[in-house]
Amino acid sequence: KQEVTQIPAALSVPEGENLVLNCSFTDSAIYNLQWFRQDPGKGLTSLLLIQSSQREQTSGRLNASLDKSSGRSTLYIAASQPGDSATYLCAAYPPGTYKYIFGTGTRLKVLA
Amino acid sequence: NAGVTQTPKFQVLKTGQSMTLQCAQDMNHEYMSWYRQDPGMGLRLIHYSVGAGITDQGEVPNGYNVSRSTTEDFPLRLLSAAPSQTSVYFCASSYNIAGGKDEQFFGPGTRLTVL
Repeated sequence: KQEVTQIPAALSVPEGENLVLNCSFTDSAIYNLQWFRQDPGKGLTSLLLIQSSQREQTSGRLNASLDKSSGRSTLYIAASQPGDSATYLCAAYPPGTYKYIFGTGTRLKVLA
Repeated sequence: NAGVTQTPKFQVLKTGQSMTLQCAQDMNHEYMSWYRQDPGMGLRLIHYSVGAGITDQGEVPNGYNVSRSTTEDFPLRLLSAAPSQTSVYFCASSYNIAGGKDEQFFGPGTRLTVL
């Protein structure tokens, strides 16, 4: 059974720092892995989707990587800003299941 | 496009009452799903649909019913509300989840409290 873990559960960093958020999954057989951002009281906003054949995806200051063999994905945020403060969730999609498996998220606070 | 819309935003029910949470999308997405989000437990899949007339159970389906009569709408029905169903409910959609290339889009959520 696929399980997705995000550690740490919470993280505080000073503004301007580059940071890495981690996502681990137990079964390397995934179609894709998607990263989301969730602001308090809001829905999830898709940030990046990495297909199983890809190693990384980039959007602005965000870069997500995928290493299926080690069961790990990372979300790199460059030059963090207070506006980046939110909860970041990752979700893995096992083939043939029609079901995404979510991690419990990392709550990020960027201090001004 | 309005994207994925959900109504109501907030709802308070008494134990035993029934209600329907509405979800609609205007992106012609085949796949739609319902999740509940609880503190410390992440998002858990309740039901999903891969197209009009086709629905299936997710991880936590008990106490909930769904139907998909059109591509656009995917309502979630609570049959007899219980305090354990107090949660935030999210609807999501994707064009073609089976191919693994299309991202999921989420609605703004419905915050439900059952007294």
